Amino acid sequence: DTGVSQDPRHKITKRGQNVTFRCDPISEHNRLYWYRQTLGQGPEFLTYFQNEAQLEKSRLLSNRFSAERPKGSFSTLEIQRTEQGDSAMYLCASSLVPGTGVTDTQYFGPGTRLTVL
Amino acid sequence: AQSVTQPDIHITVSEGASLELRCNYSYGATPYLFWYVQSPGQGLQLLLKYFSGDTLVQGIKGFEAEFKRSQSSFNLRKPSVHWSDAAEYFCAVAQTTGGSYIPTFGRGTSLIVHP
Repeated sequence: DTGVSQDPRHKITKRGQNVTFRCDPISEHNRLYWYRQTLGQGPEFLTYFQNEAQLEKSRLLSNRFSAERPKGSFSTLEIQRTEQGDSAMYLCASSLVPGTGVTDTQYFGPGTRLTVL
Repeated sequence: AQSVTQPDIHITVSEGASLELRCNYSYGATPYLFWYVQSPGQGLQLLLKYFSGDTLVQGIKGFEAEFKRSQSSFNLRKPSVHWSDAAEYFCAVAQTTGGSYIPTFGRGTSLIVHP
């Protein structure tokens, strides 16, 4: 168990460019979550997956944001036409839910820090 | 809507001193409550969580928290702080959805430990 990994750890881009981040969850985990954390704030939930199904996406910040988990393993978060306000840390977490349990613990990755110039 | 208030942005303590970090929440139903710690370059790590039962919850690294419904609080405590405890601490309250929970985090309290 190597934990949740995220790639890249840092991304600098120019306004208007598209960026994609990758998250690899803990191998047996069936749930995967994306959060955004801006400076001086706590993480803000964006979306989550159960295997390959995206179960909650109403909190994605705008239609410029999209996420996929095509094979139920790794996930990608894409931001199109980046804006300076998108500069933040993007965090991924994963968890294992046995059956219909509600007490799954989310394990977080180190995050991808995005800077939009 | 649920929300969390962490009234202290920074807390400074001396190594070996006791610690209490404050957290107040707003939630209509019985809350699911969490404390996380975030060190520079590290992911958030769960310290402890409260779902039901005993209102005094023990966590990792010697931390504990007490749920007080009458005060809508879930304060984090540690009897003796170590220099390695210096980090950012986040309180969170969660709603459940689809069998999972979606936490709403406070803005965090930065803990500074003096030798």
